[in-house]
Amino acid sequence: QSVLTQPPSVSAAPGQTVTISCSGSSSNIGNSYVSWYQHLPGTAPKLLIYENHKRASGIPDRFSGSISGTSATLGITGLQTGDEADYFCGTWDSSLSTGVFGGGTKLTVL
Amino acid sequence: EVQLVQSGAEVKKPGESLKISCKVSENIFSNYWLAWVRQMPGKGLEWMGIIYPGDSETRYSPSFQGHVTISADESISTAYLQWTTLKASDTAMYFCASLSGWLPDYWGQGTQVTVAS
Repeated sequence: QSVLTQPPSVSAAPGQTVTISCSGSSSNIGNSYVSWYQHLPGTAPKLLIYENHKRASGIPDRFSGSISGTSATLGITGLQTGDEADYFCGTWDSSLSTGVFGGGTKLTVL
Repeated sequence: EVQLVQSGAEVKKPGESLKISCKVSENIFSNYWLAWVRQMPGKGLEWMGIIYPGDSETRYSPSFQGHVTISADESISTAYLQWTTLKASDTAMYFCASLSGWLPDYWGQGTQVTVAS
């Protein structure tokens, strides 16, 4: 059971928009920055979003991040087949004094 | 660009020892915290612990304290994750990652560890 909760899967057609949620608590998302990562099995995870909404170097503006209370959201517009991957959120938990992650969401572009 | 290159897949028997590595490409090794993260089959990521290679300060997640050892060799820009006695439940993918603001920015490609009799 991951500390942060994500939907196991989402799907959408090419060109459409999808959002992936990440739910936490006051000890993590509520008072720490959130990062989002894209992971293709067999490769190194890639940082997409850091400090809640800032895009990492080279990440297109189709990817966005936002925060509301103890939840974070990753948005992807103009979906492409190359966006098919696992996406997971991460943040620091002040109660656990460790980083924590979501369970990951598998994005399928139909 | 920073690159973290991990050692290859390992297949071990229960009770055996193991040390996997993570080599950092650029001269950031001594100035950034590095983390080890576990992903068990079909599960999410778990934070194992971190090390600051500059002075080898190490902090473990309570779940992993006493079960693994994190170390670093500054002379070759390499961090290590070590087990003295492997169990079948250690079967997982292990990632190293450099930290920025206490969260990972660059990741290694992962090392698959399989422990089976």
